[in-house]
Amino acid sequence: AQSVTQPDIHITVSEGASLELRCNYSYGATPYLFWYVQSPGQGLQLLLKYFSGDTLVQGIKGFEAEFKRSQSSFNLRKPSVHWSDAAEYFCAVGPPGSARQLTFGSGTQLTVLP
Amino acid sequence: EPEVTQTPSHQVTQMGQEVILRCVPISNHLYFYWYRQILGQKVEFLVSFYNNEISEKSEIFDDQFSVERPDGSNFTLKIRSTKLEDSAMYFCASRATSNQPQHFGDGTRLSIL
Repeated sequence: AQSVTQPDIHITVSEGASLELRCNYSYGATPYLFWYVQSPGQGLQLLLKYFSGDTLVQGIKGFEAEFKRSQSSFNLRKPSVHWSDAAEYFCAVGPPGSARQLTFGSGTQLTVLP
Repeated sequence: EPEVTQTPSHQVTQMGQEVILRCVPISNHLYFYWYRQILGQKVEFLVSFYNNEISEKSEIFDDQFSVERPDGSNFTLKIRSTKLEDSAMYFCASRATSNQPQHFGDGTRLSIL
């Protein structure tokens, strides 16, 4: 069965510092990969996705993620964090070319210090 | 940019009552989903819907739950005889094709008293 692991439950960074949120997955084939962000009381907003091709994908709000097949990872990065980036971040996987449901990680809560 | 909209944003219901959560997916989308997130836990899949029928459902989605697309725009989740453990945030999502990402609504927070 597929699974997604986000090993960091909570990360705290200072504003302006770089950020990397980890995501590892277990899947039979290379899945579709996603990062979503959830601000308090809000829904899930898609940050970026990987389907195929270039393993470094750019998303909204200055985020990027790199797919590494050998490590089954899809880590999210941002070179300089802004206070408004404080939120919970979810990595998710879905079967390629299929409309089946997403499997989510347990999330990483990001706190940004002034 | 088109959005998935969910109503109400917060629903408070007595245990044992029925509740209907409403969603309006993005208009040209064909695939619809319900997920839930119990406080402090991960987002869990409930059900997917395509071509006017359920395409897949999780173990959570038992006889207590049902979904419907009563017209061309709404997609509803009905929970009969609610239990305390049904308290959660319920998210609706839709996607245009299988090669497009899912877009989520802001969720309905369901509180069972």
